[in-house]
Amino acid sequence: ETGVTQTPRHLVMGMTNKKSLKCEQHLGHNAMYWYKQSAKKPLELMFVYNFKEQTENNSVPSRFSPECPNSSHLFLHLHTLQPEDSALYLCASSARGLAGGERELFFGEGSRLTVL
Amino acid sequence: AQTVTQSQPEMSVQEAETVTLSCTYDTSESDYYLFWYKQPPSRQMILVIRQEAYKQQNATENRFSVNFQKAAKSFSLKISDSQLGDAAMYFCAYRGVLGGSQGNLIFGKGTKLSVKP
Repeated sequence: ETGVTQTPRHLVMGMTNKKSLKCEQHLGHNAMYWYKQSAKKPLELMFVYNFKEQTENNSVPSRFSPECPNSSHLFLHLHTLQPEDSALYLCASSARGLAGGERELFFGEGSRLTVL
Repeated sequence: AQTVTQSQPEMSVQEAETVTLSCTYDTSESDYYLFWYKQPPSRQMILVIRQEAYKQQNATENRFSVNFQKAAKSFSLKISDSQLGDAAMYFCAYRGVLGGSQGNLIFGKGTKLSVKP
């Protein structure tokens, strides 16, 4: 069983649909992250949650709505997306300390999203 | 703001040979961490190696080693005795030691490594 599990692995949706991406971590970590990975671009940090509280929102459009009901689960709710939102969405977790430190990120395999 | 630059979009190496992937970064901080992550075709990204900026000794993990040049802000990854399983995207990443947003990872665009049998 992988430490970070993402579902679905592939998702195709129209611009008017509402869908959700799910992430679950089994590592006992207290921080979870959503990243967007587009071709030929650096990974873009979208959201960060520490102990279920959102601590980072990198100017992400409101059509992306995160939810973290507990330290093990993270969702990304999607609605009225645009074709340019098509990308690989990666979830990650870490044991976040009080300061920076060398917290290693553990990633899921990603959800490949295609917006038609 | 910190930035990470990987100037080689693609690299190729013969099996059993050595290859070096380049990474430069820009920061005004004196202490930080640097990482190399590997993303195989299955897409799960894993940590390959990390380096603390305050340590002068280059980090080594089996066949993977880094050449950390703090003054030049350079952090290259050397893969020795390349294997077919090394084929992947490799991402260089930076993290400051401060809390908050400065404690988040900043990634480069990645280098796609191919290994020829």
